[in-house]
Amino acid sequence: YVLTQAPSVSVAPGQTARLTCGGDNIGSRNVHWYQQRPGQAPVLVIYDENNRPSGIPERFSGSNSGNTATLTISRVEAGDEADYHCQVWDSNVHHCVFGGGTKLTVL
Amino acid sequence: QVQLVESGGGLVKPGGSLRLSCVASGFTFTDHYMNWIRQAPGKGLEWVSYINRGGDVIHHAASVRGRFTISRDNAKNSLYLQMNSLGVDDTAIYYCAREDSGGYRILDFWGQGTLVTVSS
Repeated sequence: YVLTQAPSVSVAPGQTARLTCGGDNIGSRNVHWYQQRPGQAPVLVIYDENNRPSGIPERFSGSNSGNTATLTISRVEAGDEADYHCQVWDSNVHHCVFGGGTKLTVL
Repeated sequence: QVQLVESGGGLVKPGGSLRLSCVASGFTFTDHYMNWIRQAPGKGLEWVSYINRGGDVIHHAASVRGRFTISRDNAKNSLYLQMNSLGVDDTAIYYCAREDSGGYRILDFWGQGTLVTVSS
């Protein structure tokens, strides 16, 4: 199973960033998103499409339908600049699958 | 607080072996599946292996199957990755990651990683 993410997205502070993750009928799967700031380990920001772990701002939200899952970051801040990775679990082959990651640049 | 601390990385020659360790604290280790994920320099995340709570079910990515073995010692709150026949393509930061206790296959906490460099 393959997940496809755009390599980079740029957005001005205060605007909305939409990061997509494409996969065959991904809407039928549980999608999770991880933020990875430079030089740091990944951090879970959205799980099961649109749930936020404790401590993650409400500005982060997710959706998933058809062949595309989307991570939306509202009122983008400089501190949101990071790589974002989507992930699903492929139970057919007992594999965790990641997208290639999207680098979010805050202009 | 939850902590995962990896160790055991370093420089190794092609064909060599390394054993990575990950010590867990701040949570009930036996409640969680555990995983290894790696990230080559400048690249994305690649899942490597997972192990169930009891340690009797393991799965590896095709790229490492037959060379790497995941294991755990629940008495020591520790996760391991035995890596044999290492190649230059195995150069990466290796992260251990905890799965949620609900069985939803969410990687809800990650260690800071240990760097493995395979070079002659």
